[in-house]
Amino acid sequence: AQSVTQPDIHITVSEGASLELRCNYSYGATPYLFWYVQSPGQGLQLLLKYFSGDTLVQGIKGFEAEFKRSQSSFNLRKPSVHWSDAAEYFCAVGPMGTYKYIFGTGTRLKVLA
Amino acid sequence: DARVTQTPRDKVTEMGQEVTMRCQPILGHNTVFWYRQTMMQGLELLAYFRNRAPLDDSGMPKDRFSAEMPDATLATLKIQPSEPRDSAVYFCASGLDTGETQYFGPGTRLLVL
Repeated sequence: AQSVTQPDIHITVSEGASLELRCNYSYGATPYLFWYVQSPGQGLQLLLKYFSGDTLVQGIKGFEAEFKRSQSSFNLRKPSVHWSDAAEYFCAVGPMGTYKYIFGTGTRLKVLA
Repeated sequence: DARVTQTPRDKVTEMGQEVTMRCQPILGHNTVFWYRQTMMQGLELLAYFRNRAPLDDSGMPKDRFSAEMPDATLATLKIQPSEPRDSAVYFCASGLDTGETQYFGPGTRLLVL
């Protein structure tokens, strides 16, 4: 069965520290992969996406993610976290050419000043 | 800066009342999605439209929910009669085509008393 797992429900980091949010998926074919961010009271904003090609993907707000097929992972990283990055982050898998995204349960990021 | 708009942003109603939520997709997008977000279930796909045609509404409770696209610039989601368990945030998203990135609106926060 297709699934997306975000193992960390909550993560707390200090401002300026590095960040890695984990995402593992289970899917039989090559999926499209996405990271979205949701600030309190807001909709989901696309951070980055992977369809094919270079497995290291650059996104907005200084985020990047690396697709590792062998590990079925698509972890999100940022070298230096800012207080404004506090939000909830969702990983999503979209079967290629179809519309049904599968969303992870989200990781809530707290940033300490 | 094109974006998906949703109205109302917040809605409080009493059980049994009709609720209508509206969405204006990004101009030129031909796919529209309705999602529901709750703490317990996360993000669930309720309905999917392509070129204004409903292609998948398997995620919707059929007896009380209905989704339509009267024209290319308006999508509606109706609940009649509403129940307390319908309390959630309802998101609309649009995309250029099937399998392409989905862009989310800010959501309608619904509370049914």
